[in-house]
Amino acid sequence: TQLLEQSPQFLSIQEGENLTVYCNSSSVFSSLQWYRQEPGEGPVLLVTVVTGGEVKKLKRLTFQFGDARKDSSLHITAAQPGDTGLYLCAGVQGAQKLVFGQGTRLTINP
Amino acid sequence: EPEVTQTPSHQVTQMGQEVILRCVPISNHLYFYWYRQILGQKVEFLVSFYNNEISEKSEIFDDQFSVERPDGSNFTLKIRSTKLEDSAMYFCASNRQGTNEKLFFGSGTQLSVL
Repeated sequence: TQLLEQSPQFLSIQEGENLTVYCNSSSVFSSLQWYRQEPGEGPVLLVTVVTGGEVKKLKRLTFQFGDARKDSSLHITAAQPGDTGLYLCAGVQGAQKLVFGQGTRLTINP
Repeated sequence: EPEVTQTPSHQVTQMGQEVILRCVPISNHLYFYWYRQILGQKVEFLVSFYNNEISEKSEIFDDQFSVERPDGSNFTLKIRSTKLEDSAMYFCASNRQGTNEKLFFGSGTQLSVL
């Protein structure tokens, strides 16, 4: 089974700061997805990156897939308290399975 | 937006008892999944289901687990004889075209085995 490691596991910063969350693997994934999970809810898909080197933007969130398709990053610009949550990366393995990282719990302090 | 619905939201059971977790996937979806998340740990794949049969399962999904689509709308996960280590949040998910397409997750069933 391919493994995904996320870092950091916990991050607490002030409103307005920038941050980057990393998702790394020694294996190649056909695509990689980023989810956000609120307490008591299931993960909700934010973005899927497919092509090596791909960059996708979702308002203040920028997602990048590494050239070798083994790693990805999520960068948040000018973080807001509403960005607080658990962010999960997940790699697509085969046709039917997602392999999840352990998550980054992000807290944005007003 | 359509939702995946899971019931119950919480289930408490005694060790050794059978439990059935229920899910209603989104109506035009064809692929169905169960994932679980033990407290503080990663979300883990259990099983995928397509065309009325299991298409893939993980090593967690042993003989104690089974899935069924008893009618056109429900998708169930049965644990035959629960163990303490089965305590987890169980998520049902569905989509139309397999994993490369957006996966819709339900809100989960928190299973507590005492």
